[in-house]
Amino acid sequence: DTGVSQDPRHKITKRGQNVTFRCDPISEHNRLYWYRQTLGQGPEFLTYFQNEAQLEKSRLLSDRFSAERPKGSFSTLEIQRTEQGDSAMYLCASSPRVGGANEQFFGPGTRLTVL
Amino acid sequence: GEDVEQSLFLSVREGDSSVINCTYTDSSSTYLYWYKQEPGAGLQLLTYIFSNMDMKQDQRLTVLLNKKDKHLSLRIADTQTGDSAIYFCALGAGKSTFGDGTTLTVKP
Repeated sequence: DTGVSQDPRHKITKRGQNVTFRCDPISEHNRLYWYRQTLGQGPEFLTYFQNEAQLEKSRLLSDRFSAERPKGSFSTLEIQRTEQGDSAMYLCASSPRVGGANEQFFGPGTRLTVL
Repeated sequence: GEDVEQSLFLSVREGDSSVINCTYTDSSSTYLYWYKQEPGAGLQLLTYIFSNMDMKQDQRLTVLLNKKDKHLSLRIADTQTGDSAIYFCALGAGKSTFGDGTTLTVKP
């Protein structure tokens, strides 16, 4: 098992374009999380899934953001009509089970730059 | 909502102990976590403590929890240059609330 992977690692786009990021969690991890991190700040929670069900979305997640986890394995995060304020590192994490310490294992992140 | 505060910077000499502090407002979290982030990398979970514990030791790491004062600390013994990184405390099993991180610089 190679850990949580994210693709792409870097994305540069022009304002107004749509972008999609992918996260592959550790195999058999039930929960999958998306966070956003800007320079000098800690990660901010965006949304999370338990298997294929999206259980919670942050108020930070505007209508331009959508996330899916169709088969309970990998997940995608799409941002439509990107804005310069969307520039950030998008982090994905997975955790092995419900309950307990809920240790989260993070991927390397996708750095988005909106020009 | 939950507010998690950390001091921004800490500088120590190699071999000394480092103590990174964190204060929080919401005491309902069952677990409290410490993560490490190196440049260009994702977050690595270092350790965590259950809320009914006062202390947890894991090799060079010691976590202290003062629930009354809502204060969490991470002590790194015999700090090495490889410990230079940003350290985040986080609260909440499930979606987590993170502090803004403490940048630890270890001088040789």
